[in-house]
Amino acid sequence: AQSVTQLGSHVSVSEGALVLLRCNYSSSVPPYLFWYVQYPNQGLQLLLKYTTGATLVKGINGFEAEFKKSETSFHLTKPSAHMSDAAEYFCAVSDQLGDMRFGAGTRLTVKP
Amino acid sequence: ETGVTQTPRHLVMGMTNKKSLKCEQHLGHNAMYWYKQSAKKPLELMFVYNFKEQTENNSVPSRFSPECPNSSHLFLHLHTLQPEDSALYLCASSQEPRGENGNTIYFGEGSWLTVV
Repeated sequence: AQSVTQLGSHVSVSEGALVLLRCNYSSSVPPYLFWYVQYPNQGLQLLLKYTTGATLVKGINGFEAEFKKSETSFHLTKPSAHMSDAAEYFCAVSDQLGDMRFGAGTRLTVKP
Repeated sequence: ETGVTQTPRHLVMGMTNKKSLKCEQHLGHNAMYWYKQSAKKPLELMFVYNFKEQTENNSVPSRFSPECPNSSHLFLHLHTLQPEDSALYLCASSQEPRGENGNTIYFGEGSWLTVV
């Protein structure tokens, strides 16, 4: 069975600083990996996903994530945080059997 | 606009009431889901429907009753709920069920439920 661990339930950065949200997964088969973002009072929106091919995946709003099989990680980064990036971020894993699991979420705060 | 519309956005109900949450997807997808999101807990998958047939029920209490009349509509009927059922209920859809082949799951904006 798959599982996802997001390290840090709350991350705070200054505007313009690097954003790094950590996600580690456990899967016995090749995984499909996702990052979703949830803004206040809204549902979850897909930021990016990895299925096969290039391990560095670019998403919306300047975010990107790198699949590292050896580290079983899929960390989300953005070079320069913007105030509008403040939200909750969820990492998720699925596989060819289709069972998708979500992490507990990381709340990102951006300070002016 | 995600293509998945949920109504109502907010609902307050008493423990003896009967109410329903409605979800409609405009994406032509074949699979629909109900998730529960509570504070400080991971997203909980409640029900999965594939081509109108329920394919998963994750030990959800019978006071929650889903209905899927067609591939575009999904309801969650609520009856004699408890205060601990207060949460954000998210409807979602995908082309195929449950993220097969890396399918993206598209979420609605959710229905905030408060049970008093």
